[in-house]
Amino acid sequence: NAGVMQNPRHLVRRRGQEARLRCSPMKGHSHVYWYRQLPEEGLKFMVYLQKENIIDESGMPKERFSAEFPKEGPSILRIQQVVRGDSAAYFCASSRSSGGARSSYNEQFFGPGTRLTVL
Amino acid sequence: KQEVTQIPAALSVPEGENLVLNCSFTDSAIYNLQWFRQDPGKGLTSLLLIQSSQREQTSGRLNASLDKSSGRSTLYIAASQPGDSATYLCATVGGSEKLVFGKGTKLTVNP
Repeated sequence: NAGVMQNPRHLVRRRGQEARLRCSPMKGHSHVYWYRQLPEEGLKFMVYLQKENIIDESGMPKERFSAEFPKEGPSILRIQQVVRGDSAAYFCASSRSSGGARSSYNEQFFGPGTRLTVL
Repeated sequence: KQEVTQIPAALSVPEGENLVLNCSFTDSAIYNLQWFRQDPGKGLTSLLLIQSSQREQTSGRLNASLDKSSGRSTLYIAASQPGDSATYLCATVGGSEKLVFGKGTKLTVNP
């Protein structure tokens, strides 16, 4: 049973280009989360998606960033017109479902990350 | 807004030593707390998950405790080994499902 897959593992872009990061959740998982780890910073939540729905995008920058999780295929995190400050490791996690009941939680499993470098 | 703090930021110990990593959080209304390990250039490996109703969890040489009322968790590593060298991350989970991470403790175990 393959874990969370992310590709590419390393991505280099020049300022102004677009970056597309892909995440395939674990089999049987329908919830995807994206986190960003800036150099010397902790991981920060960006967005939480279910199939065809954005549930929580409170951590996403208002401009240039978008995310989707289509009915078929991987989740995509898209960064338009990248700047040097976007250089970071982007991690995807997936879970089987949401916690539902207030005292429950479905564990998130993390992928290996995509390391974006903006020149 | 939840804030998670980990102390110390870095720790260097000789092999065989027992050690404790600390994590504190500002909002005690959490559902769970999770400890992860991150190796350089790699993803996150979940070590222990403590549900809000639990006080501790154990896995091999690792023991994690949780005191919600005081907003603290500790990760105890017994008989440390060079292979334990990594960054250890603490994260809380609240009602929004998102994990809130500390900045981590970078552990170096010297042979």
